[in-house]
Amino acid sequence: SQTIHQWPATLVQPVGSPLSLECTVEGTSNPNLYWYRQAAGRGLQLLFYSVGIGQISSEVPQNLSASRPQDRQFILSSKKLLLSDSGFYLCAWNGASADGEQFFGPGTRLTVL
Amino acid sequence: AQSVTQLDSHVSVSEGTPVLLRCNYSSSYSPSLFWYVQHPNKGLQLLLKYTSAATLVKGINGFEAEFKKSETSFHLTKPSAHMSDAAEYFCVVTSGYSTLTFGKGTMLLVSP
Repeated sequence: SQTIHQWPATLVQPVGSPLSLECTVEGTSNPNLYWYRQAAGRGLQLLFYSVGIGQISSEVPQNLSASRPQDRQFILSSKKLLLSDSGFYLCAWNGASADGEQFFGPGTRLTVL
Repeated sequence: AQSVTQLDSHVSVSEGTPVLLRCNYSSSYSPSLFWYVQHPNKGLQLLLKYTSAATLVKGINGFEAEFKKSETSFHLTKPSAHMSDAAEYFCVVTSGYSTLTFGKGTMLLVSP
C-alpha cells in the first residue's frame, strides 16, 4: 500500500532563516505531488505541484520554492522566512486515476517568530 | 473554471442528532466532488467522492452525500452525530485533470 511521509512534524524558526520541508511517498511510482499551505481560517492554498522529476509548477508567487530531486521526493524551501509563512503545510499525491482524488500527508506545523 | 462554496463556517449539533454540511459548486465540465475531514493538526482524510456514478454516495463513518446537478450542490449528511465527528470538513471539486479547488471549510462542533 502507498504511504506518504512529511518531516519535520513541527518547526519553529526565526524570521529570515532558511526552510526545508521534505515529503516522500512510498508504494507508488511517478506520482503527481503537491504542496499546500493552510493558514488559520483560510482553507487550503495550493503552492506547487509536480508531474515528474525536475518539473515544478508554481501557483502562487512568493518567497517559497519547490524541488523534486527524485521521483517520490518533494521538497519545499525558502531562503528567508517571513512571519506570513507561518501555517500548516501539507503534501499530497495522486496517481493515474482520472477522478483527481489526492492523498495527504500528516502535515508540518511551521511557526515563524 | 471551478469553485466551491461551503455555506457555513461553523455548524453546532448535539450528539445523536443529524448533521448537514452544505456545499455548492460550479464547474465548466463534469465535476468530481469530494469531502475530506481534518482533525486538529492532522492531514486530510477522504470521507467520500462522487465521480459520475451513483448520485447518492456513501462514505466512511456513516457519512453520505448526494450530488444534485440541478442545484449544483453536494451536501454532506449523517443521521446521528458522534463526539468523534468533531473536526473540520472540506468540500472539494475538480474537473478532469485540473487541480483540486477547496472550499474554506466547515468546522463541526458536537456537544454532549
